[in-house]
Amino acid sequence: GENVEQHPSTLSVQEGDSAVIKCTYSDSASNYFPWYKQELGKGPQLIIDIRSNVGEKKDQRIAVTLNKTAKHFSLHITETQPEDSAVYFCAASKPGGGNKLTFGTGTQLKVEL
Amino acid sequence: DTAVSQTPKYLVTQMGNDKSIKCEQNLGHDTMYWYKQDSKKFLKIMFSYNNKELIINETVPNRFSPKSPDKAHLNLHINSLELGDSAVYFCASSSAGSSYEQYFGPGTRLTVT
Repeated sequence: GENVEQHPSTLSVQEGDSAVIKCTYSDSASNYFPWYKQELGKGPQLIIDIRSNVGEKKDQRIAVTLNKTAKHFSLHITETQPEDSAVYFCAASKPGGGNKLTFGTGTQLKVEL
Repeated sequence: DTAVSQTPKYLVTQMGNDKSIKCEQNLGHDTMYWYKQDSKKFLKIMFSYNNKELIINETVPNRFSPKSPDKAHLNLHINSLELGDSAVYFCASSSAGSSYEQYFGPGTRLTVT
């Protein structure tokens, strides 16, 4: 089955700096890659996603890039703010899998003042 | 308006008991899911239902039985609770098919003593 690896497990940045979280997946059939933000005590919130027919997608300070050949995708957050502090999860799914999401292990992002 | 809601938010119970968690979505989605998040924050799918039909069953012990009375509701019943069942359980929903965004509920923290 699909395996998604995520790095780093923790990331600390200064406010205003950029943060990058990287994921790799194992199943070349995977074609949908969402990113979720989970704040303490809350459910995961979808922040951005990308499909395999696109190499990059941007939404304000957040961007995601996808390299299908290398089977990895990354989340980029620019101009980080304290409210960006949370656990971020990448995930992957493939057609015919019932929309099953396989999650990475999460990255605890801390934005320091 | 809450899109995906779960009750209860917290559930503390003793080993051997039977308990249920309820989930409702008002997004008009056809597919609903149950995920388990363990103490290390790892998220793993348990079940998914599409229009009241079981689509995914990820080798979950048969003590766990999902029930979908209609496509807006997916409940999770757990028999003979064990210590290892302690976790946060998340319900999610999406449109039917592949590569559709999944929206998560706020979670139910289950503690088995």
